[in-house]
Amino acid sequence: GNSVTQMEGPVTLSEEAFLTINCTYTATGYPSLFWYVQYPGEGLQLLLKATKADDKGSNKGFEATYRKETTSFHLEKGSVQVSDSAVYFCALGGSQGNLIFGKGTKLSVKP
Amino acid sequence: EAQVTQNPRYLITVTGKKLTVTCSQNMNHEYMSWYRQDPGLGLRQIYYSMNVEVTDKGDVPEGYKVSRKEKRNFPLILESPSPNQTSLYFCASKSGTVSNQPQHFGDGTRLSIL
Repeated sequence: GNSVTQMEGPVTLSEEAFLTINCTYTATGYPSLFWYVQYPGEGLQLLLKATKADDKGSNKGFEATYRKETTSFHLEKGSVQVSDSAVYFCALGGSQGNLIFGKGTKLSVKP
Repeated sequence: EAQVTQNPRYLITVTGKKLTVTCSQNMNHEYMSWYRQDPGLGLRQIYYSMNVEVTDKGDVPEGYKVSRKEKRNFPLILESPSPNQTSLYFCASKSGTVSNQPQHFGDGTRLSIL
């Protein structure tokens, strides 16, 4: 069945460091891919998405490229800020309209 | 403001005492769903609804019920809660049922079943 695997956390970085959070997926066909972010005490917010191969989603300095050949959708940001501290979830769109999530990666950014 | 509203935000209760978590959206979305979030497991779908009077099981439906009598509301019912249902619950909605539409999430309901 469809599944998402993302790197285990927690990840701790200094402000202005480069961020990569790895995400790979298993799916039949070509599902849409998403990154959601969860700030402390809040619900999930859509960060970015890509709907087909080679699409690049971007938002707030974050980017992820849909790589069909490696079944990956890694999240990157060139210079993180303290305000980026949150839990990040990779997800794919299921055939029933649902989302299939990875386990989440907690990011802490230190000043 | 477009939003998904869940109530209550926090609840501590005891085993066997029926409870309902309400969910309402003001975006006229067809699709609504419930997820539970547990440490180390991410989010897992409990139930979903593609439209009024249409509901279906997700990945972890045991011990839960839902109803969709109106488009805007999708309550989650625990008829006889047990401690293993202690979790953080999220309601979500989206327009249509195609997989490329993102879901909008509520702020969550933290349930503790003693």
